[in-house]
Amino acid sequence: DSGVTQTPKHLITATGQRVTLRCSPRSGDLSVYWYQQSLDQGLQFLIQYYNGEERAKGNILERFSAQQFPDLHSELNLSSLELGDSALYFCASSAAGWGNEQYFGPGTRLTVT
Amino acid sequence: AQSVTQLDSQVPVFEEAPVELRCNYSSSVSVYLFWYVQYPNQGLQLLLKYLSGSTLVKGINGFEAEFNKSQTSFHLRKPSVHISDTAEYFCAVTVNQAGTALIFGKGTTLSVSS
Repeated sequence: DSGVTQTPKHLITATGQRVTLRCSPRSGDLSVYWYQQSLDQGLQFLIQYYNGEERAKGNILERFSAQQFPDLHSELNLSSLELGDSALYFCASSAAGWGNEQYFGPGTRLTVT
Repeated sequence: AQSVTQLDSQVPVFEEAPVELRCNYSSSVSVYLFWYVQYPNQGLQLLLKYLSGSTLVKGINGFEAEFNKSQTSFHLRKPSVHISDTAEYFCAVTVNQAGTALIFGKGTTLSVSS
């Protein structure tokens, strides 16, 4: 158990819909990262938050957005969903400082039909 | 920008045989290197990491990796594998700066059979 929790575990929705994925980092970790894992693209970094502020952006679509709340949990919002958005979405957290060791949650499997 | 190439998409081996999973990276700046393992239907678990110092890094479950700066490689090895090592293995790199994201390779599927 990494200490990172993600809900829900599975999500099935239709094209055009909007969903919210939730992540709670390990106790004390200030950084939260979101990654997308798909068969064709592999594991890709989407976005990072540090103590409530956006720190870095990767290959995140404009239809996707995220935020980190004062209690440090984070939400990834995916809107106008397309079939190609079906993937595993991972959240990871890390402590501030040297080493960049990231602890991954179990993921949310999103299926868009 | 950084990139990671895992040279083998699938590696089949027999139980108790040695294994090497190959990883090459590209970066114009100093990097940190990682190997993660993903068991079926689970998240990623850190196997080992190289930050600095000794180029031979030992991790969990009997795995080790060697950082070779001249060849820009970070190959993962285990002298004797078990059936339970069957999983997907990911090599990852990040720049030498706190709080930056991981860039992953495409992954190597290790299949251990008896």
